[in-house]
Amino acid sequence: GAVVSQHPSRVICKSGTSVKIECRSLDFQATTMFWYRQFPKQSLMLMATSNEGSKATYEQGVEKDKFLINHASLTLSTLTVTSAHPEDSSFYICSARDSSGGDADTQYFGPGTRLTVL
Amino acid sequence: GQNIDQPTEMTATEGAIVQINCTYQTSGFNGLFWYQQHAGEAPTFLSYNVLDGLEEKGRFSSFLSRSKGYSYLLLKELQMKDSASYLCAVRDSNYQLIWGAGTKLIIKP
Repeated sequence: GAVVSQHPSRVICKSGTSVKIECRSLDFQATTMFWYRQFPKQSLMLMATSNEGSKATYEQGVEKDKFLINHASLTLSTLTVTSAHPEDSSFYICSARDSSGGDADTQYFGPGTRLTVL
Repeated sequence: GQNIDQPTEMTATEGAIVQINCTYQTSGFNGLFWYQQHAGEAPTFLSYNVLDGLEEKGRFSSFLSRSKGYSYLLLKELQMKDSASYLCAVRDSNYQLIWGAGTKLIIKP
């Protein structure tokens, strides 16, 4: 099946620093990738849709200057949390849409990145 | 507005069968997905339905009725490792996934 990797899996940083999270589709090309955050015992919240070669589309309420997204290739999207604060601590999950036609355009998820801001 | 409803929590016994229901009201419909999510992990894809009827994959089956805005996930021969949250998601006319809040399934020996 399609595999999506995410790095790092866990990061602890000091308040005010920036953190970059990578999302890679390993065995398929993904023109579209999605970034979610999930708080404990809550469902996934879509933050932004990342399109290869163009600007990301952010959901309402998500600050694009704080959560920088770059989708430079068909297999890599990055999310940078700039000037992180404790309230940014969360589980960040990326997914990639397999547009090859198989499995009905399914989204496959990376394993997630747990960010803790001290 | 768009809405996905599924029970918050269900309990079942190891070896038994459980059915998790999902009802939806969305602007358009381009398929329904079921995902499994273990605590602290990302969701994993289980099934996809776009036409009415039952899709079977081993111990898991998923059913869809588009006219009723209804789906269920059926898990047979339950194992302890099936304890997880099960997320129902519908792809709307804009090809966006609308997520349910998830059903936490507790399996007891």
